[in-house]
Amino acid sequence: QVQLVQSAAEVKKPGASVKVSCKASGLSITRHYMHWVRQAPGQGLEWMGVISPTGEITSYAQRFQGRVTLTRDTSTSTLYMELSSLRSEDTAVYFCARDHSDADQSVWWFDPWGQGTPVIVSS
Amino acid sequence: SSELTQDPTVSVAMGQTVRIACQGDCLRNYYAAWYQQKPGQAPLLVNYGKDIRPSGIPDRFSGSRSGNTASLTITGAQAEDEGDYYCMSRDSSGNELVFGGGTKLTVL
Repeated sequence: QVQLVQSAAEVKKPGASVKVSCKASGLSITRHYMHWVRQAPGQGLEWMGVISPTGEITSYAQRFQGRVTLTRDTSTSTLYMELSSLRSEDTAVYFCARDHSDADQSVWWFDPWGQGTPVIVSS
Repeated sequence: SSELTQDPTVSVAMGQTVRIACQGDCLRNYYAAWYQQKPGQAPLLVNYGKDIRPSGIPDRFSGSRSGNTASLTITGAQAEDEGDYYCMSRDSSGNELVFGGGTKLTVL
């Protein structure tokens, strides 16, 4: 059974950093691109970035450039998303998800998703 | 603002057909993926590409594309179809993935 299990909720103060984990089972993170998406309370989904199967390539949404870092630990099949310089607007649920795309690179889709990790930024 | 535009709310009478639209220039080059999300849950993939449904998704969910608009059609909507629906595609630059703002579907 393919499953992504994320770490528990976090509460952080403005200016701090948070590191969210996503443990994969039933799939190899060395064979798939893996993405991170967030959702602020009552808002829509927002793509943050992706890490390659080798871990050597990362690509981030422009609005998160310089603040987000995606890493992984192949020994534990765990992905990490670290967001720094937190502000109240970063309060959101953070999701990891496995990438799929077709041979023509004309469509991408995410399946499965992790259950989400709430991050609250408050003084 | 998102490169993909969706109507914020749509309603449908139970058993009737509803179309949820997603508009954006990037859709001229890429197909969309569609997700259903219920409160407190992670998004669930319901359709992608040239109308492909993942295993376990009812065949009342179908997808299509015309010009710069992708559509998710639910034929014979059921109460359990209520939720938020998001489209996703690669953006016009090809460098990022983008989501539509989401459509809240109410089944009356």
